[in-house]
Amino acid sequence: GENVEQHPSTLSVQEGDSAVIKCTYSDSASNYFPWYKQELGKRPQLIIDIRSNVGEKKDQRIAVTLNKTAKHFSLHITETQPEDSAVYFCAASPSGNTPLVFGKGTRLSVIA
Amino acid sequence: GAGVSQSPRYKVAKRGQDVALRCDPISGHVSLFWYQQALGQGPEFLTYFQNEAQLDKSGLPSDRFFAERPEGSVSTLKIQRTQQEDSAVYLCASSVDRGNTEAFFGQGTRLTVV
Repeated sequence: GENVEQHPSTLSVQEGDSAVIKCTYSDSASNYFPWYKQELGKRPQLIIDIRSNVGEKKDQRIAVTLNKTAKHFSLHITETQPEDSAVYFCAASPSGNTPLVFGKGTRLSVIA
Repeated sequence: GAGVSQSPRYKVAKRGQDVALRCDPISGHVSLFWYQQALGQGPEFLTYFQNEAQLDKSGLPSDRFFAERPEGSVSTLKIQRTQQEDSAVYLCASSVDRGNTEAFFGQGTRLTVV
C-alpha cells in the first residue's frame, strides 16, 4: 500500500521568512495530493491540493510542487505570519476508491 | 449543519467498557472515512464507506473495532472492551465523491480509556 513520509517533523521560522515542508510517497499510482492544516484542538482543514496532471499550484502565499518522477511533493509558505503556526499534514491518494494516506505531520512555529 | 459533526466530543471510558462514536457527514456526501489520530501523530486510516458499503476496513486494529453506515449517511464506530491503547482522537471525514476529492473532517472524538 501507499506510504507517505514527511519532513521535517518540526520547523521554526522567523515571521516573514519562507517555510518548506517535503513529502515523499511510494505508490506511483497516487494522483491526488492534498495538504491539511490542523490547529491545536481543531479539525484538519484543506489548504491546498494538487493532482498529478500539474507540477505546481499556487494560492496567494501558499504553493505546492509535485515531482511525479521522484515521487515527492512540497508545500511552500512565503511571508509567514504567526497565524500560520500549526501542524501541517501531507497526504496521497492512489485512486478514486482509496482513502487518503497521511504523513506524520510537521509542527510549524512562526516566531514574531 | 454545514459541516461534519461528531459526537461525543469527549469520552472517558473505563478499560473493558464498550463505546460508540457517531459521525454525521455532510449531506449528500458519498464517501465517509474514519481515522485514528494519536497524540502528535498524523491521522491513521481505519475504514472507508461508499454510501452504505464498507469498501475497506483494513485499518481497523482488531476485531474489537466495528463500523457501520446502514443507510449511507450517519456512521457509528464501535469499540468493544476498550483498552488503554485505544486512547486517541477519532476523526471522521466525508467527501462528495468516491475519492480524490477534498475530504472534510469533523472535530473528532477524544477517547480516553482509564
